[in-house]
Amino acid sequence: EVQLVESGGGLVQPGGSLRLSCAASGLTVSTTYMSWVRQAPGKGLEWVSLIYSGGNAYYADSVKGRFSISRHNSTNTLYLQMDSLRPEDTAVYYCASSTRMDVWGQGTTVSVSS
Amino acid sequence: DIQMTQSPSTLSASVGDRVTITCRASQNIRSWLAWYQQKPGKAPRLLIYKASGLESGVPSRFSGSGTGTDFTLTISSLQPEDFATYYCQHYDSHSRTFGQGTKVEIK
Repeated sequence: EVQLVESGGGLVQPGGSLRLSCAASGLTVSTTYMSWVRQAPGKGLEWVSLIYSGGNAYYADSVKGRFSISRHNSTNTLYLQMDSLRPEDTAVYYCASSTRMDVWGQGTTVSVSS
Repeated sequence: DIQMTQSPSTLSASVGDRVTITCRASQNIRSWLAWYQQKPGKAPRLLIYKASGLESGVPSRFSGSGTGTDFTLTISSLQPEDFATYYCQHYDSHSRTFGQGTKVEIK
């Protein structure tokens, strides 16, 4: 069974940083499209970033230059490094696998506030 | 960037009703469209991929159609567990824009 488990969320001040993790089982993150999607409180889904199996990465304009997606092959984990955080980055962050996002984690909550 | 527009934003329906949700892309996305269902406090669930492909385990009352810029999600006979919010999403390019969502409420 494929499973994704996010962690690393929390409360951070504006301008701060966080690194989210997405531990995968049942699939290999280095050979699969992986994405991050977020959902602000009471709002819809917003695609954040994706990384292809070849390593190319893409970002939504709202996070470009501040967020970085990566993966660690030996631990089979996907990451999202978030720098220069803003209050509008407050959201539940999900990781999802494959180009059609057929498997999702349970989400981890990020709150950016002073 | 490709924009995705869903309609309606909210839909009130009764158990047994046939429900249709539409999604329009700002440019041709061929058939690279997915539909997701989300219930409060839960992660989204993939229902339909490549515009009309039924994801494994999804009831056959869900169906998708369309190509190019106009797409439809249909629930043939609404069940109590189908009251939720539905999102379309394109995956035709290096971005993955979602529609704004359609909330299906009990009438």
